[in-house]
Amino acid sequence: DGGITQSPKYLFRKEGQNVTLSCEQNLNHDAMYWYRQDPGQGLRLIYYSQIVNDFQKGDIAEGYSVSREKKESFPLTVTSAQKNPTAFYLCATRTEGNTIYFGEGSWLTVV
Amino acid sequence: GQQVMQIPQYQHVQEGEDFTTYCNSSTTLSNIQWYKQRPGGHPVFLIQLVKSGEVKKQKRLTFQFGEAKKNSSLHITATQTTDVGTYFCAGILRSGAGSYQLTFGKGTKLSVIP
Repeated sequence: DGGITQSPKYLFRKEGQNVTLSCEQNLNHDAMYWYRQDPGQGLRLIYYSQIVNDFQKGDIAEGYSVSREKKESFPLTVTSAQKNPTAFYLCATRTEGNTIYFGEGSWLTVV
Repeated sequence: GQQVMQIPQYQHVQEGEDFTTYCNSSTTLSNIQWYKQRPGGHPVFLIQLVKSGEVKKQKRLTFQFGEAKKNSSLHITATQTTDVGTYFCAGILRSGAGSYQLTFGKGTKLSVIP
């Protein structure tokens, strides 16, 4: 079954800890994205990658890091430098026709 | 940078009433897309508009792209409770140099009162 798999779906982080959110896709799409969504708010772009081994900062990259070592995988690390990380995180891919497909998202809560 | 403004932010309607959300871009767009996010879910692609003045329909949903390709609207006729969710527009700007920029509006959250 083709799609985007995000894990974990729910994650709790202690202050000062780094956590990594996984995003795996089997759609063979080159471009991948990470968005952050706060309750009742829109989508804010954290990082994106147009191709393997290349990625660019989005609008709110501070406190986050990514890697793109494989086409299928685009993990996001939320570092301790991110002061307000509690949010819903969405991974997405883009088709050649520009359609964006989203994963089911990961809820991160700082405790 | 490119900005996409979407209004209204919230809309409450009685079931059966119509609903419209509007998007305006600060720059001329290449394409515009619309997405729907159900409560607790993730955004799902609805449609892409490409041509100036384009109008597309999906059952009770009508999508329009302005003549200047700087604005767009989504109109729902006779809303149903299944229409509840947040509707996002996304403006796409492509340049001849191969750059690609996609910017989401902040969304319109639709509530339908049965």
